[in-house]
Amino acid sequence: AQSVTQLGSHVSVSEGALVLLRCNYSSSVPPYLFWYVQYPNQGLQLLLKYTSAATLVKGINGFEAEFKKSETSFHLTKPSAHMSDAAEYFCAVSTYNQGGKLIFGQGTELSVKP
Amino acid sequence: DTEVTQTPKHLVMGMTNKKSLKCEQHMGHRAMYWYKQKAKKPPELMFVYSYEKLSINESVPSRFSPECPNSSLLNLHLHALQPEDSALYLCASSQEARQALNEKLFFGSGTQLSVL
Repeated sequence: AQSVTQLGSHVSVSEGALVLLRCNYSSSVPPYLFWYVQYPNQGLQLLLKYTSAATLVKGINGFEAEFKKSETSFHLTKPSAHMSDAAEYFCAVSTYNQGGKLIFGQGTELSVKP
Repeated sequence: DTEVTQTPKHLVMGMTNKKSLKCEQHMGHRAMYWYKQKAKKPPELMFVYSYEKLSINESVPSRFSPECPNSSLLNLHLHALQPEDSALYLCASSQEARQALNEKLFFGSGTQLSVL
């Protein structure tokens, strides 16, 4: 079965500092990996996705993530945090033969201090 | 139009009530989803519709009854709910529901449901 683990349920950074949100996946077949963001009282919005093309994926709002098969990781980074980045971030995995199922990690709440 | 619209935004219902949640998209997507999200938790898949046919039911209790009247609309009919069913119900859509979901899901803002 596929799964994702997000390390750290809460991460706090200062404005302008590097953002690093960690995600490790488990899958016996090649995975598709996603990062979604959820602002308060809203639905989820796709930040970026890895679908077996380039291993370094650039997304919206200055975020990027690198797929590392040897480490089974797909960590999300942003060089300089903005106050508007404060939100809940979900890593998710999908694989062939799951018929459209997306498995989410537990989420990481990002706080940005002024 | 790249929106998924959900109504109502908030709903309070008693355990004996019958209510419906509605979801609409006009992006020509052929796959639509219902997710349930408890506070501080990830979304949990409930149902997937592909080409207006139910393709996945994640063993959801029968007090939740989905319906897809056409390719743009998705309903979730609620009856005899329990207080533990209180949650944010999210609708989503994608171009298709392939064997592997490798494309973007578009989410609505959800319906915050409270069952008294």
